[in-house]
Amino acid sequence: EDKVVQSPLSLVVHEGDTVTLNCSYEVTNFRSLLWYKQEKKAPTFLFMLTSSGIEKKSGRLSSILDKKELFSILNITATQTGDSAIYLCAVSNQAGTALIFGKGTTLSVSS
Amino acid sequence: GAGVSQSPSNKVTEKGKDVELRCDPISGHTALYWYRQSLGQGLEFLIYFQGNSAPDKSGLPSDRFSAERTGGSVSTLTIQRTQQEDSAVYLCASSPLLRGRTDTQYFGPGTRLTVL
Repeated sequence: EDKVVQSPLSLVVHEGDTVTLNCSYEVTNFRSLLWYKQEKKAPTFLFMLTSSGIEKKSGRLSSILDKKELFSILNITATQTGDSAIYLCAVSNQAGTALIFGKGTTLSVSS
Repeated sequence: GAGVSQSPSNKVTEKGKDVELRCDPISGHTALYWYRQSLGQGLEFLIYFQGNSAPDKSGLPSDRFSAERTGGSVSTLTIQRTQQEDSAVYLCASSPLLRGRTDTQYFGPGTRLTVL
């Protein structure tokens, strides 16, 4: 059965800290891994990763995929209170199919 | 441009009643998905529409759940004889599914359903 496991389930940090969120997966015919940020309702897209070892970066956020070890990490440097959200990891096993989501990591950044 | 929209944003209903949830995907997106997110859980796939193909209904939890997509655009998710365990946020997403492009799914704000 395809599955995505995220860790930790929740995390509390202080502003300015750096955090690393983990996502491991078991999926047949892997196609891509996606990270989403969910603050209130709609998850918003962060990154899509398809190739191992190529870091994707957007401001203070970055992510990398390891297709051999079947995991991805999402790094957030110099965290801000606005980074507080649920971070969702999802994998796609072929184009057009439903994404398989992990349960998410709830990040709380205190000032 | 406009994103995915959903209505209503909140719905409170009594056990046993039927409810309809609506999704307007991004214009031009051929694929449309419904997910459910219960408290403390990840997103659970319900149903997927792609163009004129038969929908993938493999995620629907029971025959009380159904969905349709009219004219390849707007979709309605219907839950009949609602139960308390149906309480969740129902999220709709759409995707362009263009060759050579990302298959990223773009989500709407969801409908929070509460069954009393």
